[in-house]
Amino acid sequence: DAEITQSPRHKITETGRQVTLACHQTWNHNNMFWYRQDLGHGLRLIHYSYGVQDTNKGEVSDGYSVSRSNTEDLPLTLESAASSQTSVYFCASSETRAGETQYFGPGTRLLVL
Amino acid sequence: DQQVKQNSPSLSVQEGRISILNCDYTNSMFDYFLWYKKYPAEGPTFLISISSIKDKNEDGRFTVFLNKSAKHLSLHIVPSQPGDSAVYFCAASGTSYDKVIFGPGTSLSVIP
Repeated sequence: DAEITQSPRHKITETGRQVTLACHQTWNHNNMFWYRQDLGHGLRLIHYSYGVQDTNKGEVSDGYSVSRSNTEDLPLTLESAASSQTSVYFCASSETRAGETQYFGPGTRLLVL
Repeated sequence: DQQVKQNSPSLSVQEGRISILNCDYTNSMFDYFLWYKKYPAEGPTFLISISSIKDKNEDGRFTVFLNKSAKHLSLHIVPSQPGDSAVYFCAASGTSYDKVIFGPGTSLSVIP
């Protein structure tokens, strides 16, 4: 069965460190998304990609970057982790651009000390 | 400013009764709406959607109602079951909008 996986599931890091969160999907979807979930804010879009070599900024992209070298993977990098980036991160993919069902990974819980 | 609002952070309902979760939006460009359900330690999963050309969509125990003039939609769960206890996110998008905007979520507890 097709799926979307994230690793690690939990991560503790220190302020200033670079952290990369992995996202891998086997749906063969062109579209992939990264969100963060914080209490009172729901899911906020960090970055998204509509295909290989395509990346776009979402509403909360400062301090984050992504790259898309193949269809299956969209790693999210925190260049210099900050305590404000402590959150739960979800990766998602979809077959069409907007409005269609997105399939979410299980999430990565990140704690920045 | 939140474009998709869910003004009730939490809701508690007795098993067998109706659960009504509400959602309001501000952007008139939105023409497609979705509800996602999320259990603890899992990713959200798609539940039901509605296009702006409809005012109701039903799937089993779940019905979504859309009132375009009021920019309001609601999710009805009848009858509610303990397994429905989860966080429900309302989301909105549009044909001329390349992203999905999520609301802050409502935590539903169904009491046996």
